[in-house]
Amino acid sequence: QVQLLQSGAELKTPGASVKVSCKTSGYTFSYYAMHWVRQAPGQGLEWMGWINADNTRTKYSPMFQGRFTITRDPSASTLYMDLNTLTYEDTAIYFCARDVGAPGSPLDYWGQGTLGTVSS
Amino acid sequence: QSVLTQPPSASGTPGQRVTISCSGSSSNIGGNSVNWYQQLPGAAPRLLIYSSNQRPSGVPDRFSGSKSGTSASLAISGLQSDDEADYYCAAWDDSLSGVLFGRGTKLTVL
Repeated sequence: QVQLLQSGAELKTPGASVKVSCKTSGYTFSYYAMHWVRQAPGQGLEWMGWINADNTRTKYSPMFQGRFTITRDPSASTLYMDLNTLTYEDTAIYFCARDVGAPGSPLDYWGQGTLGTVSS
Repeated sequence: QSVLTQPPSASGTPGQRVTISCSGSSSNIGGNSVNWYQQLPGAAPRLLIYSSNQRPSGVPDRFSGSKSGTSASLAISGLQSDDEADYYCAAWDDSLSGVLFGRGTKLTVL
């Protein structure tokens, strides 16, 4: 069965960077685009960006442009996100999600979420 | 960054039918499919409706979706206590070249 297993909770200080991983299994990783979505405490879902299936293109939300990077390692079937220059407003649960196909396709499987806390 | 407009809350009694609206623009809902996600408390989102009106396997037919112009709606019939959750609409936005989410609607079963 399809599974997306994310790395554990992170505690960072303001100005630091965080890297979250999303290890996939149960399907051919290189066939699907992947997204990152975050959810601040008590807030809604916020799309952060996506990477295409063959690792040749990324697109980031303007809200994170310049400090957010998505990468993927086909050999490990794993997706990564890096967010730097953290502020308190980056405290959120970060989700990875699989894209069924072309841009605009639904996100059909989600990771369990990784809590990222920014605190001094 | 623009978002899709949803009512912040909705409610109904068991057995009732409720609808949740989602309003956008020509760059998102008007030109692309709408997907709906259900998020139970403390859980990751779950795909509920895709391509505006299709249900993934395992989603009861009590859930249905529709789209007209730049608006979409999610309908839940035969409301159950287990349906109490947050519901989000989402659509690709051509201007953003990314996904836009609604702010979410909290459904309460009275």
